[in-house]
Amino acid sequence: SAVISQKPSRDICQRGTSLTIQCQVDSQVTMMFWYRQQPGQSLTLIATANQGSEATYESGFVIDKFPISRPNLTFSTLTVSNMSPEDSSIYLCSVGGQGEGQYFGPGTRLTVT
Amino acid sequence: TQLLEQSPQFLSIQEGENLTVYCNSSSVFSSLQWYRQEPGEGPVLLVTVVTGGEVKKLKRLTFQFGDARKDSSLHITAAQTGDTGLYLCAGVSYNTDKLIFGTGTRLQVFP
Repeated sequence: SAVISQKPSRDICQRGTSLTIQCQVDSQVTMMFWYRQQPGQSLTLIATANQGSEATYESGFVIDKFPISRPNLTFSTLTVSNMSPEDSSIYLCSVGGQGEGQYFGPGTRLTVT
Repeated sequence: TQLLEQSPQFLSIQEGENLTVYCNSSSVFSSLQWYRQEPGEGPVLLVTVVTGGEVKKLKRLTFQFGDARKDSSLHITAAQTGDTGLYLCAGVSYNTDKLIFGTGTRLQVFP
C-alpha cells in the first residue's frame, strides 16, 4: 500500500484563473494517475504521469488545459488552467498497478465561481 | 466506449438488512476491483477478483466475479451504519488493459 497526500484539500477559484494541485507519495512509484470526479459521479481518468516522460492524456483531456509535471518518483502536480464552472470537481491522484488496485489520495475539491 | 453499469444507483436501508450491488458490462475484464469512498476521502480498495467465478469474502462483504468475467456483485450481510458510502466497481479491460470505473452505487444505512 501507499500513503498519498494532496494539497490543497479544497479551493474556491474564480473563472479564468489556474490552480495547481500537488500529490505526494510516501514511496517511489513509476506511474501516477490523475482522476476527475464530478459531483455525485464516478471517476474519469485524466492522464497517466510517468517520471521522465510526458504525461499520457485520455480522450477529452488535453495538455494545455491540464498540464502535469512529474519531477521525481514521489511527486506530481496537475494544473487546471483557465478554469470555468464546468471544472468544479474533485481531483484525485492515485498510484498502483492497473490489475492490483489503486491507492488514492484524499482528493482536492475545486469550486469555480 | 466500454461501460460498467452499477445497480442500484442509490440504496437506502436500515441496519441489519442485507443488500446486493451489481456491476455489469458487455465487455470482458481481466480483473475487477471494488472500492468504497466516504465523503471527503478518496476511494479505498476493498478487493480484487481475477478469476471467472471467483468468490471472495471480507467479513460481512462477499464479492463474486462472473464466470464470463463481464460482471460482478457485492453482497453485504447485516449492514451497519459504517457501511455507508459510495461503492465503485472498476475493471481492467481485457482488450485495452485500462482501468474503467463503474457508475457507482451510493449506499445509506440508517440506524
